[in-house]
Amino acid sequence: GEDVEQSLFLSVREGDSSVINCTYTDSSSTYLYWYKQEPGAGLQLLTYIFSNMDMKQDQRLTVLLNKKDKHLSLRIADTQTGDSAIYFCAERIDRGSTLGRLYFGRGTQLTVWP
Amino acid sequence: NAGVTQTPKFRVLKTGQSMTLLCAQDMNHEYMYWYRQDPGMGLRLIHYSVGEGTTAKGEVPDGYNVSRLKKQNFLLGLESAAPSQTSVYFCASSYSRTGGADTEAFFGQGTRLTVV
Repeated sequence: GEDVEQSLFLSVREGDSSVINCTYTDSSSTYLYWYKQEPGAGLQLLTYIFSNMDMKQDQRLTVLLNKKDKHLSLRIADTQTGDSAIYFCAERIDRGSTLGRLYFGRGTQLTVWP
Repeated sequence: NAGVTQTPKFRVLKTGQSMTLLCAQDMNHEYMYWYRQDPGMGLRLIHYSVGEGTTAKGEVPDGYNVSRLKKQNFLLGLESAAPSQTSVYFCASSYSRTGGADTEAFFGQGTRLTVV
């Protein structure tokens, strides 16, 4: 099946880097995503990476993809209190009846301490 | 551009009552999804649709029905609400047929449903 696993909690101090990790099981994923959910809100796309890429950088965000180990990470540099939120990893599967479906992890609650 | 709009935002139901949640998107997206979010469980897919007039079951479809009569709308129905259906419900839409940023899913703001 398609399982996406994340640790549930991460706490960091303001100014430090945060690294949120995700593992997935389906090797046929085409895109992998990081979504952010702030309290009382829906999910918003932070960044995504195509499955044939190893790394993508976007300002304070760095996404690393190890396709061999099916491991995805999101690094947030200089973490701020405004980064406190739940971060979801998701993979897109394009295969047969699951064409285009997204599978989400349970989310990692990031808490940033001042 | 409104994106994905869900109505209502909050609702309290008594056990056994029925209701319909409405999701509307104005991005001409092909795919639409209904998820529920429960503490510690992340997002679980209830039903989804790959186009007008088509629907498919997700991971947790029991107790729910859906319809996609128009491309822009995706309705989620609870025929006989149960306390186990107390949750936050999210609708999402995506284009999905091509690569790049078109593949991202856009989410509504959620509907908080309590069944007592």
